[in-house]
This record gives sequence, structure tokens and C-alpha cells, in this order.
Amino acid sequence: DAKTTQPNSMESNEEEPVHLPCNHSTISGTDYIHWYRQLPSQGPEYVIHGLTSNVNNRMASLAIAEDRKSSTLILHRATLRDAAVYYCIQSRKLIWGLGTSLAVNP
Amino acid sequence: DGGITQSPKYLFRKEGQNVTLSCEQNLNHDAMYWYRQDPGQGLRLIYYSQIVNDFQKGDIAEGYSVSREKKESFPLTVTSAQKNPTAFYLCASSTRANEQFFGPGTRLTVL
Repeated sequence: DAKTTQPNSMESNEEEPVHLPCNHSTISGTDYIHWYRQLPSQGPEYVIHGLTSNVNNRMASLAIAEDRKSSTLILHRATLRDAAVYYCIQSRKLIWGLGTSLAVNP
Repeated sequence: DGGITQSPKYLFRKEGQNVTLSCEQNLNHDAMYWYRQDPGQGLRLIYYSQIVNDFQKGDIAEGYSVSREKKESFPLTVTSAQKNPTAFYLCASSTRANEQFFGPGTRLTVL
């Protein structure tokens, strides 16, 4: 099964770091891990992707386990605008789970 | 501005009518996708196209049809055979690294 597994919901306080986990135990060796986020009634927005090494961009960091069976999206300082549903997917499979709904408290 | 446009934003149709949703991109991407999203659910792939004049069925293609006559355009027709067409429809295009760019979506309501 090419599905990913994420917690249904998480909560954070503003300006604190957030670690969003994702399990993808059946990922193939050439499949990238992609993260997107979605606000209500909008299309998803690309956040970050990686293959084996940890990745950083202006939005977030992605930490990938050595065995590639899991990854963690890191928002270094959560803001109210980061409240969204976060999805991790395997790039070749295009199977989207329910994602993690992130709430950010002021 | 480069991006993906979908029109209309809201669409109402009577049961039994076919309806076509528009999707246009000016990102020069080869690949385009159509997804369906129901309330509280993730995205489900309807159809995708890797190149002009070629497309493949996704997980839930029954009751839908597509065409890809131009690189920029990938319209989706929701036919009367689709049993429960009311949903939020999302179009995307992607880079070679499969980074997907999404349009704003079309919310279809069948009365």
C-alpha cells in the first residue's frame, strides 16, 4: 500500500516550533516525499520535498529518516497563517491521505 | 503572472446534465492532473496527462472524461454517469520533479 500515515490533528502555540510526522513505510527507493498544505476552500500549496537528505527552504525544513520510512516537516516558528491541513505524499503514487490539521494558538 | 486558472469558482447544474470544468496553465508544464475532494477528505486522482494527446485514468475515473489537445489546457467533463458529482474539483500541473501547482478549485453542486 502506497499510503502515508499522519496524525489527524496537532496543536501548537504561535512562535513555537512544530514537528509534523509522516510514516511512509512502503516507499520505493526513487520515490520523493512531498509535503503540501491546504487552507479551507483553496487548492493545496507546495511546501517542500526530499529524497534522502534533509532539506531546508524558506517555508520549512524536512527531516528524512535514514531508512526513509518516515519523515518530519518542521515549521521553525509557527504563525497563525500556518494553520492548515498538511499532507505528505509519495510523489509517484499521488495518493493523498487525510493529512494533519494544524491549529496554531495565539 | 504564471499559474493555473480554473473556472468557474462555483458551478450549479441539474442532475443528468454534463458539465465541463476548465483548467488552464501558463507554467509550460507537461503534466496535468484532476483531483476530486469531498468534505473532510484528502484528494483523489481522477485523470492525469503526462503529455499532449495522452492521458491516463486515476483512481476514480468512472463518470468523468478529459481531453488534452493543447499543453496549456486540460478540461474535465463530469458526465451524467457520475453518481455523486457534487464535490470540490482541483486541477494541478507539475514540474519534472513532480512538484504540483494547484488551481483555486471549482466547487460543483448538482441539484
